[in-house]
Amino acid sequence: DTAVSQTPKYLVTQMGNDKSIKCEQNLGHDTMYWYKQDSKKFLKIMFSYNNKELIINETVPNRFSPKSPDKAHLNLHINSLELGDSAVYFCASSPSGLASDTQYFGPGTRLTVL
Amino acid sequence: GQNIDQPTEMTATEGAIVQINCTYQTSGFNGLFWYQQHAGEAPTFLSYNVLDGLEEKGRFSSFLSRSKGYSYLLLKELQMKDSASYLCAVRGRLWGKLQFGAGTQVVVTP
Repeated sequence: DTAVSQTPKYLVTQMGNDKSIKCEQNLGHDTMYWYKQDSKKFLKIMFSYNNKELIINETVPNRFSPKSPDKAHLNLHINSLELGDSAVYFCASSPSGLASDTQYFGPGTRLTVL
Repeated sequence: GQNIDQPTEMTATEGAIVQINCTYQTSGFNGLFWYQQHAGEAPTFLSYNVLDGLEEKGRFSSFLSRSKGYSYLLLKELQMKDSASYLCAVRGRLWGKLQFGAGTQVVVTP
């Protein structure tokens, strides 16, 4: 029944490692997003895809690479992890990318880089 | 760019009313959202305003004044479960990103 799901929920890893976070939505939405929420609780957009096409790409290091194999999935791969990457990463989806669309968030992935 | 300001924390007692203000400066305006986020959980949608005025939804109401760049979220008949962070978010351009404020932590006391 879960609308937007993410795996894993927790991720603890060493600096320099490469890791992936997966996101799936079963709402039939066309648009998906990745957000980062840091320790100060600011929720910042990283990427947005509409029907598998990248439409928003914020100023994010090249070490972060999103991949959308189909419109129900948006994965995030992070290379050479750094301490500053520690945060909660939220996936979200919306029916389209229209301004009025509500975004539905997944449960989050808490990434800790040691 | 966009600037969104809201108070860091507010405390109120059970049964009371609390008003959370949000001011914003954006290049373009295509709607303002309020989300609720409990500790350790995902943000959940509360309200959306694109035209001036008050939108009421049960115990929660949201107001918007586009000319003043101002919105508030009104929480009535506060319950303990309303203790959470409340995020104001603005969409500037029509297909643009949603910009979030830092959130207002509401603490409801018995």
